[in-house]
Amino acid sequence: DIVMTQSPDSLAVSLGERATFTCKSSQGVVYSSNNKNYLAWYQQKPGQPPKLLISWASTRESGVPDRFSGSGSGTDFTLTITSLQAEDVAVYYCQQYYTAPPTFGPGTKVDI
Amino acid sequence: QVQLVQSGAEVKKPGASVKVSCKASGYTFTGYYMHWVRQAPGQGPEWMGVINTSDGTTSYAQKFQGRVTMTRDTSTSAVYMELSSPRSEDTAIYYCARGTASALYYFDYWGQGTLVTVSS
Repeated sequence: DIVMTQSPDSLAVSLGERATFTCKSSQGVVYSSNNKNYLAWYQQKPGQPPKLLISWASTRESGVPDRFSGSGSGTDFTLTITSLQAEDVAVYYCQQYYTAPPTFGPGTKVDI
Repeated sequence: QVQLVQSGAEVKKPGASVKVSCKASGYTFTGYYMHWVRQAPGQGPEWMGVINTSDGTTSYAQKFQGRVTMTRDTSTSAVYMELSSPRSEDTAIYYCARGTASALYYFDYWGQGTLVTVSS
């Protein structure tokens, strides 16, 4: 199975400031045939299911604010929240869907 | 709008099987695979398996092989996940999650979750 790791475990960011956190996979998650990275990011608020934010490492889902951006390729990925808002307090998970079983990272908790 | 509505919380004694339902609406049920993902307290999500809602074929994570059964009922647009011989380590929130149209193994809509507590 592909192991996903995330860092840091948690971080506190002031309102309006930038939050950046990383995700690493134990093996590459990019298919050479289409050059796509099979990596998603989810946001989970307390008492709610995960919400899909970004797929293909950098494609925002419909309705996701443009302050969220994903980047990276191969084994190293980053999620950036520019200008953190109060409603962004959550745990953020990365997930690879390159191969079964799909696996999630342990999450990064973002606080104000 | 797409909705996945799951059955209510369950409390089970070790060894007594548990069955969770997930009713889909707002889209063509048989057009998308449905997955089950669980999340233990304070942990990241863990994929359990997937069912092809069109023909009923399934694929389970190795960890759950022999203990989990996923079924579907196309007449009611519902999927079911049954976990047999649960133990305390199976205490978790269980989610159904729809596989996307563009790739099988990531999830665009999730149910609200069903808390399963296994305790003697």
